[in-house]
Amino acid sequence: GNSVTQMEGPVTLSEEAFLTINCTYTATGYPSLFWYVQYPGEGLQLLLKATKADDKGSNKGFEATYRKETTSFHLEKGSVQVSDSAVYFCARLNSGNTPLVFGKGTRLSVIA
Amino acid sequence: DVKVTQSSRYLVKRTGEKVFLECVQDMDHENMFWYRQDPGLGLRLIYFSYDVKMKEKGDIPEGYSVSREKKERFSLILESASTNQTSMYLCASPRGTEAFFGQGTRLTVV
Repeated sequence: GNSVTQMEGPVTLSEEAFLTINCTYTATGYPSLFWYVQYPGEGLQLLLKATKADDKGSNKGFEATYRKETTSFHLEKGSVQVSDSAVYFCARLNSGNTPLVFGKGTRLSVIA
Repeated sequence: DVKVTQSSRYLVKRTGEKVFLECVQDMDHENMFWYRQDPGLGLRLIYFSYDVKMKEKGDIPEGYSVSREKKERFSLILESASTNQTSMYLCASPRGTEAFFGQGTRLTVV
């Protein structure tokens, strides 16, 4: 079926460390892929997206590349900050009347 | 500026009450979704609608129903609230490659 699998957390990193949060998907066709972020006490925000194979989404120093051959959309950041502490959700959306499907979320804590 | 608005940020209801959660979008989108978010479980789809008066069950529809009488409004109904329905509820409205979310309603059932 259609699903999204992301690495389980929590992930704890020191400031300026390199971050990778893995995300893989199964889907028919060519879905759009997203990373959403939820900061403590706030709603869900779109962090970045990619709509076709080999696209790279980027925002706030985060990047993710749509890899069709490995059905992956891993989130990376070269140097995390304490303010990046949040829960990150990977999601996919097929075209047409289909729902947005989320991974279970990964909690990131960055310590100074 | 696109907007998805949920009527309440916080609600406290008693067990057995009938609860209505309202979601309104001003983007003239066909698709609207209701999710609940729980720690360690991510966002789980309750119901979605792809047109007025149309509804589809998501992954966890039990204990819920929905209403889509107008295109801009998608209501989630808890027929008889129970404590295991205490959660954060999120409404979303995607179109094409964009998905827009409301701020969420944190419902506590006591």
